[in-house]
Amino acid sequence: KNQVEQSPQSLIILEGKNCTLQCNYTVSPFSNLRWYKQDTGRGPVSLTIMTFSENTKSNGRYTATLDADTKQSSLHITASQLSDSASYICVVSLTGGFKTIFGAGTRLFVKA
Amino acid sequence: DVKVTQSSRYLVKRTGEKVFLECVQDMDHENMFWYRQDPGLGLRLIYFSYDVKMKEKGDIPEGYSVSREKKERFSLILESASTNQTSMYLCASSFEGGATDTQYFGPGTRLTVL
Repeated sequence: KNQVEQSPQSLIILEGKNCTLQCNYTVSPFSNLRWYKQDTGRGPVSLTIMTFSENTKSNGRYTATLDADTKQSSLHITASQLSDSASYICVVSLTGGFKTIFGAGTRLFVKA
Repeated sequence: DVKVTQSSRYLVKRTGEKVFLECVQDMDHENMFWYRQDPGLGLRLIYFSYDVKMKEKGDIPEGYSVSREKKERFSLILESASTNQTSMYLCASSFEGGATDTQYFGPGTRLTVL
């Protein structure tokens, strides 16, 4: 069964600290993995995308990694800011069309 | 910038009512999608459309229908709303719709069915 599992479900960190969010997937045939950021009351916005051959991708203070062998991805946030408070959703797409599997998300709260 | 708008941010309806959720995108995207988002679950695809008047069922199409009469507009219809359709509904669009294509999301409509 195609599944995407994220951990932790929620996380509270102090402003300025780093954090890492995890995504494990059992999806086949794999095409790519994305991380989205969803602010409260808004739709998700794409942060990074990685294909099978890529194992890291950065977008400012966000760095995503992908281990296609273990089917794990992580999103590392450096020097967190209050505006990083959001849900972060891991999304895996299958080859051959429109099929995408969304994780349930990690709710991050950054406090001052 | 791509803009995807949805007709309502919040909606309250009664059981049995017919509900229309509208989505408009301004980037001439071929593909449009309707998802629902519930706590503890990932986004689940209800329907998508890859061209005007074309539609495909997603993972949870039961109780829903869609309409795409114009390229920029994709409507989700709840023929007879039920309480288990209380949810956040998100519309998205993409240019090509393949697995590597980015989907751009609207702000969502939070629907409550009483």
